[in-house]
Amino acid sequence: DAGITQSPRHKVTETGTPVTLRCHQTENHRYMYWYRQDPGHGLRLIHYSYGVKDTDKGEVSDGYSVSRSKTEDFLLTLESATSSQTSVYFCATVNREGGTEAFFGQGTRLTVV
Amino acid sequence: AQSVSQHNHHVILSEAASLELGCNYSYGGTVNLFWYVQYPGQHLQLLLKYFSGDPLVKGIKGFEAEFIKSKFSFNLRKPSVQWSDTAEYFCAVNDMASSASKIIFGSGTRLSIRP
Repeated sequence: DAGITQSPRHKVTETGTPVTLRCHQTENHRYMYWYRQDPGHGLRLIHYSYGVKDTDKGEVSDGYSVSRSKTEDFLLTLESATSSQTSVYFCATVNREGGTEAFFGQGTRLTVV
Repeated sequence: AQSVSQHNHHVILSEAASLELGCNYSYGGTVNLFWYVQYPGQHLQLLLKYFSGDPLVKGIKGFEAEFIKSKFSFNLRKPSVQWSDTAEYFCAVNDMASSASKIIFGSGTRLSIRP
């Protein structure tokens, strides 16, 4: 397995609080992604990064922000958590542009109460 | 916008039955295609991928998929399923024209195998 670590693995937080999820990779992959997984929706792309300090929005980016200050770390922040953001969040990396598959972290289960 | 459709949401089969899961994508340009599997409580793992060449692709655990460009399809098949194949299966597309190498996933198909 690729060296992708997500932290925390589980989190319960209250509505209205900010939350930051971390994705750390040791593979030196250029591209990194945050997805959320919900029943019936598969994986939906939240934000992605195509290099240090280069990020862009995915299909469900509202209420989320990201930062990538170095190659190995990609942070996802829920600015003010809502119950609709209760989900399982997966980080993924891709080695090179368009040519390889994604490698996934183990996921973070976030519950907003 | 690019999209991926998996029409079977839940498939229930008996052991030794044959499997075919449908996947259609909307993008008309050059794409890379993938099938991922997610076993209960685990992260996604790659089953197989298509980049170019022979449209019939063989993957791990006896799975294969056929790319039919004219139908925008990439269906997953297995001749004889086992109880251990119980999992959720996701089709995905990587837009080769995208500089960001975005991978878009279908909504998934849950496969349940009766022993």
